[in-house]
Amino acid sequence: GAVVSQHPSRVICKSGTSVKIECRSLDFQATTMFWYRQFPKQSLMLMATSNEGSKATYEQGVEKDKFLINHASLTLSTLTVTSAHPEDSSFYICSARDYATSGGGETQYFGPGTRLLVL
Amino acid sequence: EDKVVQSPLSLVVHEGDTVTLNCSYEVTNFRSLLWYKQEKKAPTFLFMLTSSGIEKKSGRLSSILDKKELFSILNITATQTGDSAVYLCAVPDKAGGTSYGKLTFGQGTILTVHP
Repeated sequence: GAVVSQHPSRVICKSGTSVKIECRSLDFQATTMFWYRQFPKQSLMLMATSNEGSKATYEQGVEKDKFLINHASLTLSTLTVTSAHPEDSSFYICSARDYATSGGGETQYFGPGTRLLVL
Repeated sequence: EDKVVQSPLSLVVHEGDTVTLNCSYEVTNFRSLLWYKQEKKAPTFLFMLTSSGIEKKSGRLSSILDKKELFSILNITATQTGDSAVYLCAVPDKAGGTSYGKLTFGQGTILTVHP
């Protein structure tokens, strides 16, 4: 149980284009999902908290107009990197809280991540 | 602000060795501590600890929490090359109000197991 998928796993795009990344909880419902980015040899950096049916909560320094988050259902959140530039190249990871198992919903399960390369 | 510190930052051992990874924390409203293993992809969940002194075990991995001294350890016995990874410790803040239980991560311990 508690499987989170991400699509695509890898994407290469040209500078100026937009890229959409999907995060799905496959066998549980997630009212809250989280989006992280990770640079090589660094820990995960939380970008935003995605809440089903309401606006995302962004961390300080993260541009909400650049990283659009939509949590349309209890099993799907999307992150769209708009007008991507080479500095947006990174490893993007989502996670979801499973309320039904693992002791009350505090455990976050991570998707496999999406490697974005912007040329 | 919540703070999680892991040590050592890196560790190199040989197969068969036993390793102990440390995680100390300073958080308000402590509820649980999580351990993850990260290889080339995203972190995979290992343990969630909520109570002091109760060891959680999964094969060669075990973990325990000390809420009085504010730390946790992750033990790996009879290490194998497949244990090579970054081990992350994290603490969720208390969900409620405007908080959604986001995780504060330690820096991670890079474990390298040589054959």
